[in-house]
Amino acid sequence: AQSVTQLGSHVSVSEGALVLLRCNYSSSVPPYLFWYVQYPNQGLQLLLKYTTGATLVKGINGFEAEFKKSETSFHLTKPSAHMSDAAEYFCAVSDSPGNTPLVFGKGTRLSVIA
Amino acid sequence: DAGVIQSPRHEVTEMGQEVTLRCKPISGHDYLFWYRQTMMRGLELLIYFNNNVPIDDSGMPEDRFSAKMPNASFSTLKIQPSEPRDSAVYFCASSLGQGLDTQYFGPGTRLTVL
Repeated sequence: AQSVTQLGSHVSVSEGALVLLRCNYSSSVPPYLFWYVQYPNQGLQLLLKYTTGATLVKGINGFEAEFKKSETSFHLTKPSAHMSDAAEYFCAVSDSPGNTPLVFGKGTRLSVIA
Repeated sequence: DAGVIQSPRHEVTEMGQEVTLRCKPISGHDYLFWYRQTMMRGLELLIYFNNNVPIDDSGMPEDRFSAKMPNASFSTLKIQPSEPRDSAVYFCASSLGQGLDTQYFGPGTRLTVL
C-alpha cells in the first residue's frame, strides 16, 4: 500500500525566498507522484505530476519537483515565492499501473510574508 | 467544459436532518470520487465509482452515509441523520482513469451541522 508523509504542516517564507515543501512516499511498486494546490475556498488543482522518464518535473506557476527514488522523496520547490503562492499544498501517490486511487498527504500550508 | 460542479456550495442544517450533496463530473470521465476535508483529519477519500459502479466505500464513516451514481453525469452523497461531527467540506472529483490520470476537483460543499 502507498503512503505519503509531508514534513511540516505549515511553512512560512518571505516574498522572493526559496520555497521548499517536503514529501516522502512509501510504495511497493513504482509510484506515480503528484502535487496538488488548494487556494482558499477552492478545490484542489494539479500543480505537477511524475509518471515516468525525467525525474525533474516542471509544473505551473514556476513550481518544480524532483523524484528521488533512493530517498523516496518528491520535494516541491520554487526559486522565488510570490504572495499569490500562499495556499495549501498536497503531495499524493498512486501505484502504477493505477489499480488504486490517489493517497494524499496531510497537506502543508504555505504562508508568504511581504 | 465547466469542470466538476457541486451543489449546494454551503449547507447549514440541524442535527438529525437529512443532507444531500450533489455532483456533476466532467463529461467523459469514468471515475468519480467523494472526499471529506476537516482540520483534524485532513483530506479523506470516502468512496469512489468507476463507470457508475461503487468500487471502494471503505472510507465511508458509518451507515449514516450513502452515495449513489445513477448515471454518468450525476452522483449524490447523503447523510441521514446528520450529526455535528459531520461538519466538513465535501469534495467531489472526477478523472478519466486512475494511476497517472489527473483528478479534477469541484469547489466543494461546506456543510455545517448545528
